[in-house]
Amino acid sequence: GQNIDQPTEMTATEGAIVQINCTYQTSGFNGLFWYQQHAGEAPTFLSYNVLDGLEEKGRFSSFLSRSKGYSYLLLKELQMKDSASYLCAVRDVRTALIFGKGTTLSVSS
Amino acid sequence: DGGITQSPKYLFRKEGQNVTLSCEQNLNHDAMYWYRQDPGQGLRLIYYSQIVNDFQKGDIAEGYSVSREKKESFPLTVTSAQKNPTAFYLCASSPQGSYEQYFGPGTRLTVT
Repeated sequence: GQNIDQPTEMTATEGAIVQINCTYQTSGFNGLFWYQQHAGEAPTFLSYNVLDGLEEKGRFSSFLSRSKGYSYLLLKELQMKDSASYLCAVRDVRTALIFGKGTTLSVSS
Repeated sequence: DGGITQSPKYLFRKEGQNVTLSCEQNLNHDAMYWYRQDPGQGLRLIYYSQIVNDFQKGDIAEGYSVSREKKESFPLTVTSAQKNPTAFYLCASSPQGSYEQYFGPGTRLTVT
């Protein structure tokens, strides 16, 4: 079966670092994505990992371990505008995305 | 401007009526997708199309239909057979050979 798990909610304070974990079990794997989604809006692309290791892009980094079926999104120097849902998704053999339920991050001052 | 448009942003229908949601893209992307999102849930794949005149069922296709007569258009019809049609519907597209999907702004459908 297809299963993607991530925590439902997380809280953090401005300026802090937060790590959002994602574990997956899918019938095929063609890459793992992280999207950010503000309430009522469309998801926007944050990162893509297809090989093991860390990908860094500004304040955001994403890590992948294919053997463990595990990824995390690391957000540094948190800002209030980072309050959003973060969606982990796996691209399967159909080229479509299988999404987790999302992690709602609340950043407080 | 290049992008994906979905209209309208909010749509209201009575139970038992079919309704068609539009999705248009001028990005010249080959692949297009329809997802549904319910509160507290991730996106679930309804239908996808990788080329014109061809489409495949996703994970929750029952009660939905699509067509892909033109490269830039991928309309989704929510039929009366769909038991819980109220949801946020997102259309996405992707160029051939690319991994990234670009999302439209979404249509929030409410059926009463």
